[in-house]
Parts: sequence; structure tokens; C-alpha cells
Amino acid sequence: GDQVEQSPSALSLHEGTGSALRCNFTTTMRAVQWFRKNSRGSLINLFYLASGTKENGRLKSAFDSKERYSTLHIRDAQLEDSGTYFCANSNNRIFFGDGTQLVVKP
Amino acid sequence: NSKVIQTPRYLVKGQGQKAKMRCIPEKGHPVVFWYQQNKNNEFKFLINFQNQEVLQQIDMTEKRFSAECPSNSPCSLEIQSSEAGDSALYLCASSLRGTVSNERLFFGHGTKLSVL
Repeated sequence: GDQVEQSPSALSLHEGTGSALRCNFTTTMRAVQWFRKNSRGSLINLFYLASGTKENGRLKSAFDSKERYSTLHIRDAQLEDSGTYFCANSNNRIFFGDGTQLVVKP
Repeated sequence: NSKVIQTPRYLVKGQGQKAKMRCIPEKGHPVVFWYQQNKNNEFKFLINFQNQEVLQQIDMTEKRFSAECPSNSPCSLEIQSSEAGDSALYLCASSLRGTVSNERLFFGHGTKLSVL
């Protein structure tokens, strides 16, 4: 979407390595949410941040509302991490990034 | 602005009434998804179409919702008899493919349904 620029659009990682996904916002956002699409097509909540950082297992997310960006770091990637990841803002209207397609290879 | 257009932005219905929302997917995208936001701020998959055909749908959608994507007309999702628990944000998304789990999606801004 125009208000949320998500990158990269596609990412390939070898097992055990890591990388970061990023979302840039064109306007100030109140909060950011990161999702992953599961095998049923539903969007599962990974993180909700109004500021700072949160960590959950091998995932860590950061949100800088002043600089208008958020990141999702994946470390020690596993095969089951493959999927599509989305960020979205949480303002009065919801704006999604277009997604990052992650493929983790052996 | 999103290239996936959802209308109306807000929808208020009484219990038992029909509630219909529409979605125009991004041009050239044959696949349309509908989602319902839950209390955990997650988006539950409801149904998806490829052109005019239903690809997948969950049980709830099959029983209480009707959805279609006619050619040359907006896609629609209609709750046949609204219940209080249907109050939620409904999102539409489109993509080039609907069956590959890694597919990127392009989202609308949603229709916020309130059932009184």
C-alpha cells in the first residue's frame, strides 16, 4: 500500500541464518502490527507495538514512530518459518504492507 | 490509497438483518480473500475466490454468509442474519494466486460492521 512500504518483497534464507524485514510509513503511525499468514490463510498476530522492541523466541520487532519505520528480525531461521509476513499500522484506518515472501532453505 | 476498494467503510445493522459489504480487487488480480478481525487483532480467513469460483471457505462462512465475485462487478460478502458476534472489521485482499501460501496480498481498508 502507499502508506506502508514493506521490504524486501521476497527473501530467501538458509536454515540457521537470519535477516530483517522492514516497513516504512509515510505518516506517523500510532502502532504497528506484524502478521504471518498461516496454512489456512489466516493472519496470525506476531507482534503489536506502540513503541520500542518486543521479542518472542527467534523473532524480534522494533518500532520507531518518530522515524516512521518498524523491523521484524528473524534469527536462526527454520524451515517452518517460510511464509508470507505482513506489517500493518494501527491508526483509525488500517494500512497493510504488501508482504514479504520468506523462503527458508536447508 | 489502497488499490483494493472496500465499501462501505462503516456498516451498522440490527440483529437478524442482512449485512452486505463489497470489494473491488486490484486490477488484474483474479483472487480475492475475505478476512474477519477477531478480539486478538488477528485476521481470520473466511473465504477466497478465483475469478467467480470459491477456492476455500471456513464452515461459518458456508453456513451463515453468502459471498460472490461476479465478473465485471464488485465482489461481495453478505451475512444473512447478523448476530452481535459478527461485529468486526472485515478485510478484503487480492492477489495473483490464491493457493500458494507465500503469496503477497494487497489489502483494502476494511468495512467496520457494528451489529446492535
